[in-house]
Amino acid sequence: DQQVKQNSPSLSVQEGRISILNCDYTNSMFDYFLWYKKYPAEGPTFLISISSIKDKNEDGRFTVFLNKSAKHLSLHIVPSQPGDSAVYFCAASGDNYGQNFVFGPGTRLSVLP
Amino acid sequence: KAGVTQTPRYLIKTRGQQVTLSCSPISGHRSVSWYQQTPGQGLQFLFEYFSETQRNKGNFPGRFSGRQFSNSRSEMNVSTLELGDSALYLCASSTQVAQVTEAFFGQGTRLTVV
Repeated sequence: DQQVKQNSPSLSVQEGRISILNCDYTNSMFDYFLWYKKYPAEGPTFLISISSIKDKNEDGRFTVFLNKSAKHLSLHIVPSQPGDSAVYFCAASGDNYGQNFVFGPGTRLSVLP
Repeated sequence: KAGVTQTPRYLIKTRGQQVTLSCSPISGHRSVSWYQQTPGQGLQFLFEYFSETQRNKGNFPGRFSGRQFSNSRSEMNVSTLELGDSALYLCASSTQVAQVTEAFFGQGTRLTVV
């Protein structure tokens, strides 16, 4: 049973528009969430994180929103750029001291010029 | 600052053999985690080491093991290789002292079992 779900395997967006990537989780013990971006033949690169005490975190073009009651988070990229084309993974952790992340299956984002 | 370094990048082994993969974390990082990535299962947590001790373990058979050295470098070993062990093995390091923090990944080792 997947504890972290990313129901859209792929997403295409026009350059300059907003990209919204969604993630749902089932384990109410998760209290720290991260987004990673992965290019082919490279390891995942950390993008942005949010702890459960917040509902929003911003870093430049990237904003993550957390809705704890709905067990849902989303990553907004504004404006989207062709270089953002990659696979995006949502990850969650409920372990205060461990780096034991549960990853979603990923969403492939294509930003079209 | 050098990133996380994994060696080798590619490896081909035969069923039944064993393999050792190496990971050098970012300088100053004491936590090293290992993940297996396959097309069907995505990224799955194998285990985490912190200060030479295994702190967390995922749901993998005992054929998968690891260790961490005093300089924080880590190795993972897979014995009696099976075809299903073919995957990208990723290592991640973090400072992680008192709470969860982001982990920084290496490029991975692509293991093919034939």
